[in-house]
Amino acid sequence: DQQVKQNSPSLSVQEGRISILNCDYTNSMFDYFLWYKKYPAEGPTFLISISSIKDKNEDGRFTVFLNKSAKHLSLHIVPSQPGDSAVYFCAASSYPPYNTDKLIFGTGTRLQVFP
Amino acid sequence: NAGVMQNPRHLVRRRGQEARLRCSPMKGHSHVYWYRQLPEEGLKFMVYLQKENIIDESGMPKERFSAEFPKEGPSILRIQQVVRGDSAAYFCASSPNRADVSSGANVLTFGAGSRLTVL
Repeated sequence: DQQVKQNSPSLSVQEGRISILNCDYTNSMFDYFLWYKKYPAEGPTFLISISSIKDKNEDGRFTVFLNKSAKHLSLHIVPSQPGDSAVYFCAASSYPPYNTDKLIFGTGTRLQVFP
Repeated sequence: NAGVMQNPRHLVRRRGQEARLRCSPMKGHSHVYWYRQLPEEGLKFMVYLQKENIIDESGMPKERFSAEFPKEGPSILRIQQVVRGDSAAYFCASSPNRADVSSGANVLTFGAGSRLTVL
């Protein structure tokens, strides 16, 4: 049962344009959502998070939007740069009531930013 | 200020052998998580440990896999009698005690991973 879904396996964007990566989830108990970026042969690195009580969080070129009614979140990267080319993972957590802090990850979206 | 250290980075085993993967969490972190990434797939949760305790092993295969995080030393993920389907990248992550964090998401810091190849 895939609780966190990233339906687009890949995305190609021109440098300077906006990249929009999407994520859907099924569990309404999730309290935080996170985005990670992963380069080949490296571990995932944390990018940005959002609490379930917010609908937007911004950090520099990265903004995450959350639509709880649709159980959907998106990551916007503006402007996109070639160094942003990586695999992006959406993740979710729910501390109560499960008393476990594990993150549940989506399958990832490979972003390629071309000149 | 070392991050999460995993070793070995690459491990080759023949079918039936044992694989041991090690993980030293970030300094000050008391929680360790193991994830597996199969080729062309996402990160699948395996197990969550604190010192000397397994908190959540809901993602661990029922047989051949075990994990520990002893009082002293690194966390170990052990795979007995490996099969070709165990070939994957195994990532360890750590986080501080949530009680030590005033608020916010539980941000896991990942190691670079151990890539297991079973021949």
